[in-house]
Amino acid sequence: AQKVTQAQTEISVVEKEDVTLDCVYETRDTTYYLFWYKQPPSGELVFLIRRNSFDEQNEISGRYSWNFQKSTSSFNFTITASQVVDSAVYFCALRLRGGSEKLVFGKGTKLTVNP
Amino acid sequence: NAGVTQTPKFQVLKTGQSMTLQCAQDMNHEYMSWYRQDPGMGLRLIHYSVGAGITDQGEVPNGYNVSRSTTEDFPLRLLSAAPSQTSVYFCASSYGQGPGYGYTFGSGTRLTVV
Repeated sequence: AQKVTQAQTEISVVEKEDVTLDCVYETRDTTYYLFWYKQPPSGELVFLIRRNSFDEQNEISGRYSWNFQKSTSSFNFTITASQVVDSAVYFCALRLRGGSEKLVFGKGTKLTVNP
Repeated sequence: NAGVTQTPKFQVLKTGQSMTLQCAQDMNHEYMSWYRQDPGMGLRLIHYSVGAGITDQGEVPNGYNVSRSTTEDFPLRLLSAAPSQTSVYFCASSYGQGPGYGYTFGSGTRLTVV
């Protein structure tokens, strides 16, 4: 069975702190894709990143970075120098090759960045 | 380019009423799906479609029907609304036949059943 676990339900930080959101996934497939989505207070879901199972390179995009480690089945997301606008719920998701093409979501981590 | 459009944005139903949540995309995406989001549950798949005329059940399909007569539209029907269907509903579409394509989500429909 496929599963995504985001153990951190809520995180609160002060602006300019670095914060890491954890994501651990379970699958027996060797080909899969991992995603991060952001859901700001306005409610829409915003795509942040996609990573396939064959590419373990870390990725950096501005203040965002992602650390993918197959050995620990983790795909963690770090925000450097957090800002109030980063306050949102962040979802990690897993998608497998073939089948229903569905995304399996974690339950999300609510990040609050205080000024 | 509107992306994925969901209507209505908000809806209040009485128990037992029926209604249709509309979803339309203008990106010629083959794959469309409906998710519901409940507090502390993340998003769960209700129904999905891999192309016009083809639909299948997801994780929580009971109480919902779908059809896909065109590539653009994927309506979700609540046959007899129940309070347990109070949720935020998201429609999503995806281009391509591989899981490497991310989904584009609509802005959501907040449904309350009283």
